[in-house]
Amino acid sequence: AQKVTQAQTEISVVEKEDVTLDCVYETRDTTYYLFWYKQPPSGELVFLIRRNSFDEQNEISGRYSWNFQKSTSSFNFTITASQVVDSAVYFCALSELKAGNTPLVFGKGTRLSVIA
Amino acid sequence: DAMVIQNPRYQVTQFGKPVTLSCSQTLNHNVMYWYQQKSSQAPKLLFHYYDKDFNNEADTPDNFQSRRPNTSFCFLDIRSPGLGDAAMYLCATSRVRGVPGGDTQYFGPGTRLTVL
Repeated sequence: AQKVTQAQTEISVVEKEDVTLDCVYETRDTTYYLFWYKQPPSGELVFLIRRNSFDEQNEISGRYSWNFQKSTSSFNFTITASQVVDSAVYFCALSELKAGNTPLVFGKGTRLSVIA
Repeated sequence: DAMVIQNPRYQVTQFGKPVTLSCSQTLNHNVMYWYQQKSSQAPKLLFHYYDKDFNNEADTPDNFQSRRPNTSFCFLDIRSPGLGDAAMYLCATSRVRGVPGGDTQYFGPGTRLTVL
């Protein structure tokens, strides 16, 4: 069965600090996809990144970076030099590759508060 | 801009009074999803359409129905809303699996439903 665990329920940081959001997943499949979504107070889920299980290269996009490690089943997300606009709930999600469209399994989310 | 649109953004209904939420997309995606998200929880998939093929999650109550009259539109009908159905309802779309990036889900802004 699939499962995504985001152990950090809430994190508060001061602006310009770096922060890492943890994500640990469980799956029996060898082919799967991992995602991060941002949900600001407005409610919309904003897609940030997708990573497939065969690509363990870390990725950097501006202040955002992702560390995918299959050995520890983790897909952690780091925000460098955090800003107040980064305040949101962040969800990690997993999708297995099967025939048809397999639903996303979300973690419970981490609420990030960036204080000016 | 191609996008996922949900109307209305806020909906108030009375206990037991049927309500319909609407979702439209200009992405021309084959798959449309409906999620329910209660306060401080992860989104929970209710059902999805793969083209005209309807796929219901096993634990979705019969009170929730959906219609997809064409590729662009999908509706969520709640036949007899209860107080426990108050939540954010999120619509999402994705392309067919097998296309690079095809399984990424793109979300609309959500409709927040209040049941009085």
